[in-house]
Amino acid sequence: GDSVIQMQGQVTLSENDFLFINCTYSTTGYPTLFWYVQYSGEGPQLLLQVTTANNKGSSRGFEATYDKGTTSFHLQKTSVQEIDSAVYYCAMRDQGNAYKVIFGKGTHLHVLP
Amino acid sequence: NAGVIQTPRHKVTGKGQEATLWCEPISGHSAVFWYRQTIVQGLEFLTYFRNQAPIDDSGMPKERFSAQMPNQSHSTLKIQSTQPQDSAVYLCASSLGVPGTGGYEQYFGPGTRLTVL
Repeated sequence: GDSVIQMQGQVTLSENDFLFINCTYSTTGYPTLFWYVQYSGEGPQLLLQVTTANNKGSSRGFEATYDKGTTSFHLQKTSVQEIDSAVYYCAMRDQGNAYKVIFGKGTHLHVLP
Repeated sequence: NAGVIQTPRHKVTGKGQEATLWCEPISGHSAVFWYRQTIVQGLEFLTYFRNQAPIDDSGMPKERFSAQMPNQSHSTLKIQSTQPQDSAVYLCASSLGVPGTGGYEQYFGPGTRLTVL
């Protein structure tokens, strides 16, 4: 079945470090892909969205790249800050139902001051 | 716009008791979703409604869990005979549900943290 895989359950970095979170997906065709961010005590919120039309998305200093060849979708940031500490979810639109989103298990990012 | 509202924010129940969680979607949004979030499983889809009608409950446990949407302004998730393994954050989300840029974006509430003792 359709799925999204995030292998990195937890990432700990220091401020100004480079962030790279890997995500792979499994489905037919080329779905719309998302990164959601969840800060402590809040619900997830959309960080950015990428389709095959543009292959890249960026928001708040984060950049995501869509790689159809390897069915992967990475999130990166050149220089993380303590305020970036949060859970990051990779997700994709369900190919059979535009309303539904399939989420990965999330990556807990902890940025040390 | 207040966003998606969920009440209560925290709920503690004893094993075997009933828990009812409430969600008020963003006004004008036609789709409402329920998710369960745990550290181990992450975000698990439970069920969703479109224009108040139940569309897909494929993620709902077959027993003890039920969801309703009696009107366009609120939805409830009810868990009967709660068990410790039901302890989780339950998230509600809504989306406009129309084609076009951002039309299917899901907006999440802050969640209800359910603790079953």
